[in-house]
Amino acid sequence: KAGVTQTPRYLIKTRGQQVTLSCSPISGHRSVSWYQQTPGQGLQFLFEYFSETQRNKGNFPGRFSGRQFSNSRSEMNVSTLELGDSALYLCASSLWASGQETQYFGPGTRLLVL
Amino acid sequence: KNQVEQSPQSLIILEGKNCTLQCNYTVSPFSNLRWYKQDTGRGPVSLTIMTFSENTKSNGRYTATLDADTKQSSLHITASQLSDSASYICVVSAQAGGTSYGKLTFGQGTILTVHP
Repeated sequence: KAGVTQTPRYLIKTRGQQVTLSCSPISGHRSVSWYQQTPGQGLQFLFEYFSETQRNKGNFPGRFSGRQFSNSRSEMNVSTLELGDSALYLCASSLWASGQETQYFGPGTRLLVL
Repeated sequence: KNQVEQSPQSLIILEGKNCTLQCNYTVSPFSNLRWYKQDTGRGPVSLTIMTFSENTKSNGRYTATLDADTKQSSLHITASQLSDSASYICVVSAQAGGTSYGKLTFGQGTILTVHP
């Protein structure tokens, strides 16, 4: 079974631009969550989607948005990029079975904003 | 304010030795606590997830404990291996509408280095 895939793996943008990142969860997983990881702030939760609905949201500005499609694939969009948005963006998919959750992370998309 | 504090920040041990990493939290209302292992340049891998009623959970050589009264958790690694060198992150989830995620608060991680 294929793991969580994220595209692109690396991205360079300039301030003011917008970017869209993609995440394909493991087949059968309906929950997809997004995280931002920086050396200074560590890992931070962005949002979680389940069955095309945003279930939870972290403390990020409205420039960060996402969506999930009917096939559970998810996209994350960041508008009006700032230098501080440079980070590793991680996507994880989850499956609940027998009261237990199993979560798998993708390799991440490394975004550099110049 | 919800916070998760991990100690030590970094740790160096010799291969074959045991070690214990600590996590203290002030997240409320508590939902669950997770330990992740993250190798350099890779995404985190979930080691354990514990709810309020669970005191101990093992995953191979990794054993996590949870004391919900004192709001402390530990991750014990037995017979360390070179491949255990990684960052270990403690994540606490506050309850929110019955979902598993709610509001996630992350610790800064403990960087473990295992030397031969």
